[in-house]
Amino acid sequence: QQQVKQSPQSLIVQKGGISIINCAYENTAFDYFPWYQQFPGKGPALLIAIRPDVSEKKEGRFTISFNKSAKQFSLHIMDSQPGDSATYFCAARWPGNQFYFGTGTSLTVIP
Amino acid sequence: GAVVSQHPSRVICKSGTSVKIECRSLDFQATTMFWYRQFPKKSLMLMATSNEGSKATYEQGVEKDKFLINHASLTLSTLTVTSAHPEDSSFYICSARAATNEKLFFGSGTQLSVL
Repeated sequence: QQQVKQSPQSLIVQKGGISIINCAYENTAFDYFPWYQQFPGKGPALLIAIRPDVSEKKEGRFTISFNKSAKQFSLHIMDSQPGDSATYFCAARWPGNQFYFGTGTSLTVIP
Repeated sequence: GAVVSQHPSRVICKSGTSVKIECRSLDFQATTMFWYRQFPKKSLMLMATSNEGSKATYEQGVEKDKFLINHASLTLSTLTVTSAHPEDSSFYICSARAATNEKLFFGSGTQLSVL
């Protein structure tokens, strides 16, 4: 079963706009929630991550909002740029080792 | 951030041959490494988890005799695709994490094409 559900599957945003990608998880034992950015033909790169005891984390134009009671977290990309066009994966870590990944969101930022 | 180096980035081989992919953690000791397979425009499919010095744990449906994983040192894990067939053509990615760090870092991936 899908431990982490991600939406939307694809997203088109105008340059300068806000891109929002959502993820929901089932198991409250997850203790770490990273977001990864992947360009075609490359491996995913860690973008930003949050722990469940924090409701928001911001790094530059990237912000994670975390809602523990709803078991949801989202990635917000402010002032989206064409260079942000990539596939984004959310993930959740089971304590100890295993990471579960969302199905990915293909973001296209149009000039 | 930490660097995980994966080689080769692209390999083309004939059906029936074996291919080895290397994954190295360059600036940290990777007690755990993961191997994934990714199809075009799809998510990461975990194939196996390897801990240094012990046998890899394979996910259900992954043939351990076909996808040989070795994690002989704290900085190197290898995936060998044995007797490759065209259906094994895919993008293979490794990732690594240290025992003292919750973060997971990925290699740059290997595009395998079996003719």
